[in-house]
Amino acid sequence: NAGVMQNPRHLVRRRGQEARLRCSPMKGHSHVYWYRQLPEEGLKFMVYLQKENIIDESGMPKERFSAEFPKEGPSILRIQQVVRGDSAAYFCASSPLSGKQGAQNYGYTFGSGTRLTVV
Amino acid sequence: DQQVKQNSPSLSVQEGRISILNCDYTNSMFDYFLWYKKYPAEGPTFLISISSIKDKNEDGRFTVFLNKSAKHLSLHIVPSQPGDSAVYFCAATTQGGSEKLVFGKGMKLTVNP
Repeated sequence: NAGVMQNPRHLVRRRGQEARLRCSPMKGHSHVYWYRQLPEEGLKFMVYLQKENIIDESGMPKERFSAEFPKEGPSILRIQQVVRGDSAAYFCASSPLSGKQGAQNYGYTFGSGTRLTVV
Repeated sequence: DQQVKQNSPSLSVQEGRISILNCDYTNSMFDYFLWYKKYPAEGPTFLISISSIKDKNEDGRFTVFLNKSAKHLSLHIVPSQPGDSAVYFCAATTQGGSEKLVFGKGMKLTVNP
């Protein structure tokens, strides 16, 4: 039973390029969350998605960032025209439950992250 | 605005002794608290949690205490083992929300053999 799979593990992009980060949730999980960890910081919530729906994107920067979780395939976090400040570790987590029960009962499951470096 | 604070960046303890990791929060709406453990180059791993209706939750060597009036929680690890060496994050969430977690900055625990 594979865990949450994120790829690539490491991604290097030049300023102005696009970065695409992929997340495949655990089998049976239909809720996906993206978090970002800047150097020397804790994880910060970015977006919460269910299949084909964005539920909460209150942590997403207003520009250049977008996320999707299609009916088929992995969830994608897309960063357009990357800047050096986007360099961070991006973690995806998944949960089988909706509402408050998800975090409570399972503390949901994180992937190993994608480390984005913008040069 | 740091709603969840882990004021000590690091802690070093001897194997077999108790490790106490502290966490403070400012948002009185938080009603569920979690601790995660993180090794380098890996994602956070859920450790233990506590609801605001309780003041203590125990799971093996790990116990979390919650003091709502002080807006403070702590994680006790006893006895500490070298494999416990990692970064520990405190996190909190609010009732009725989208389950998003608010994390502290983390504390690096080193358990010396």
